[in-house]
Amino acid sequence: EADIYQTPRYLVIGTGKKITLECSQTMGHDKMYWYQQDPGMELHLIHYSYGVNSTEKGDLSSESTVSRIRTEHFPLTLESARPSHTSQYLCASSEARASTGELFFGEGSRLTVL
Amino acid sequence: KNQVEQSPQSLIILEGKNCTLQCNYTVSPFSNLRWYKQDTGRGPVSLTIMTFSENTKSNGRYTATLDADTKQSSLHITASQLSDSASYICVVSDRGSTLGRLYFGRGTQLTVWP
Repeated sequence: EADIYQTPRYLVIGTGKKITLECSQTMGHDKMYWYQQDPGMELHLIHYSYGVNSTEKGDLSSESTVSRIRTEHFPLTLESARPSHTSQYLCASSEARASTGELFFGEGSRLTVL
Repeated sequence: KNQVEQSPQSLIILEGKNCTLQCNYTVSPFSNLRWYKQDTGRGPVSLTIMTFSENTKSNGRYTATLDADTKQSSLHITASQLSDSASYICVVSDRGSTLGRLYFGRGTQLTVWP
């Protein structure tokens, strides 16, 4: 079982609020990723990090930001949530690049913005 | 355009029956193909990963096949159980850049009835 944890699992907030989705892994992986998934749709990469102080935007444009101050921690922040941000957010990590190595996912954070 | 197409979109079978899920892709140059199982409200869990040289890989009651020439893969589930009810996602990665990319299918939603 993967040692990667996301909190909160579910969050319902009002428009304009600032939120942070937490992601932690205890496997010592350098590579971490955030994906967005809507029902019945494919996962889209929104942010990734290849190590401490290294963050990049993914394929899908997102108004969220990320930080990587510690290897094990990769939080995602929305400064001002909107209904369009309602989605499932999945955090993942890998020892090697995602395209070659095993990718471990967290349980997900389901965000609803009213 | 690199794409991953899965069929059927959804499938209902009776407990104990076998089923086969399909994945067609146009990703090039090909690196590997993975199948993930995603329970409702949970993160995806890896079932198999196959490289170009592998055409069959099993994981318990799950057997994946790969035909790199026709760019097709299938996931066969034997003697289905109620716990097999989930979304099964096909993911293909390329090796066309140092970054490498993952291309996700939209998944096949499998429901196993007692």
